[in-house]
Amino acid sequence: DTAVSQTPKYLVTQMGNDKSIKCEQNLGHDTMYWYKQDSKKFLKIMFSYNNKELIINETVPNRFSPKSPDKAHLNLHINSLELGDSAVYFCASSQTGGPGELFFGEGSRLTVL
Amino acid sequence: AQSVTQPDIHITVSEGASLELRCNYSYGATPYLFWYVQSPGQGLQLLLKYFSGDTLVQGIKGFEAEFKRSQSSFNLRKPSVHWSDAAEYFCAVALFTGNQFYFGTGTSLTVIP
Repeated sequence: DTAVSQTPKYLVTQMGNDKSIKCEQNLGHDTMYWYKQDSKKFLKIMFSYNNKELIINETVPNRFSPKSPDKAHLNLHINSLELGDSAVYFCASSQTGGPGELFFGEGSRLTVL
Repeated sequence: AQSVTQPDIHITVSEGASLELRCNYSYGATPYLFWYVQSPGQGLQLLLKYFSGDTLVQGIKGFEAEFKRSQSSFNLRKPSVHWSDAAEYFCAVALFTGNQFYFGTGTSLTVIP
């Protein structure tokens, strides 16, 4: 049973389109994250939600909108996709209140043409 | 500002040779420290972590890391590298709240036969 699962794993789309990536964790964690990994493998935090509340919102274009319907799910919606949005997006989760580690999904590779 | 530095972008070692990957951090206090590994096309997997106590920590796949407070370092080591260790390695730190993780830029490891 996958701990952190993301769908889709691959996404190829045209510039200007809108797309969503879904993430679910079955670890009972209270915090979920979206990270963006660029072509140089650099991992950048985008958003973090704790119990459905936004707690980290790094400098990300407002075309990116996270949504957390419950603490086990964190979805990422991207409007008006641009070439520079091409990257691998990782969902992760952790448990606060202690030195918990991050558990990562397998990533969603987004290619914008 | 907090930062995590991995000075080596790319390292090449021969199979069977020893390995050391460097990580330095800059924080006001001792954070929680982690090493993650990312195999091609995969998500990130935790190798080991340091919270407190013994400064030499053992991880999976034969890896170990040593925390040196005086040097603000948390270097990863393996006495004998296997071809399957070829991957991207990330050092990460977390603040005491446990829900803010910062990653280094990664070190790409190539293993030659």
